[in-house]
Amino acid sequence: DTEVTQTPKHLVMGMTNKKSLKCEQHMGHRAMYWYKQKAKKPPELMFVYSYEKLSINESVPSRFSPECPNSSLLNLHLHALQPEDSALYLCASSQDWEQGQPQHFGDGTRLSIL
Amino acid sequence: RKEVEQDPGPFNVPEGATVAFNCTYSNSASQSFFWYRQDCRKEPKLLMSVYSSGNEDGRFTAQLNRASQYISLLIRDSKLSDSATYLCVVNFNKFYFGSGTKLNVKP
Repeated sequence: DTEVTQTPKHLVMGMTNKKSLKCEQHMGHRAMYWYKQKAKKPPELMFVYSYEKLSINESVPSRFSPECPNSSLLNLHLHALQPEDSALYLCASSQDWEQGQPQHFGDGTRLSIL
Repeated sequence: RKEVEQDPGPFNVPEGATVAFNCTYSNSASQSFFWYRQDCRKEPKLLMSVYSSGNEDGRFTAQLNRASQYISLLIRDSKLSDSATYLCVVNFNKFYFGSGTKLNVKP
């Protein structure tokens, strides 16, 4: 069982919908990440939160909006997505952002945009 | 030049074989190194961290060569269940992923 929990597992939405992806970890990790992964490609970093503050935004379009309500939770708010945004969205956490500790991934949300 | 490069494979090997993957990285100041495995349509799972002195976990051995800027993963006595994509990950301010090496272990 993964120690990083993501919901929902699958999401189908239209281009005008608004939805949110959720991620939770209870390992006491202080860094959390959102990745996007397309088929047969490695994960691509989207956002990094360290101690609940946004540390990195990899020039992600504003239709993706991250939020870190507390040290255990990470959300990704979605609005007006495009078909090319269909992908597996992975959340990860690590002990600390700067120390380079390994990341632990959730099992992802498979997103389909109609 | 990509920060992390891997041979995409696939590596097709029979059960019981020994197989090795290499991964090169471009930034000599990289600090941490990892191997992950990813099964089809699943999340990456940490296989092992890689240390300068080399480290072993059962059938898996990881090595780091800082002078030549590469890390390696050796799998001995391959099992069918080892079939997966193996991702090399290097940390320098953020995590850089290789494109992954696909391993198929055949009966």
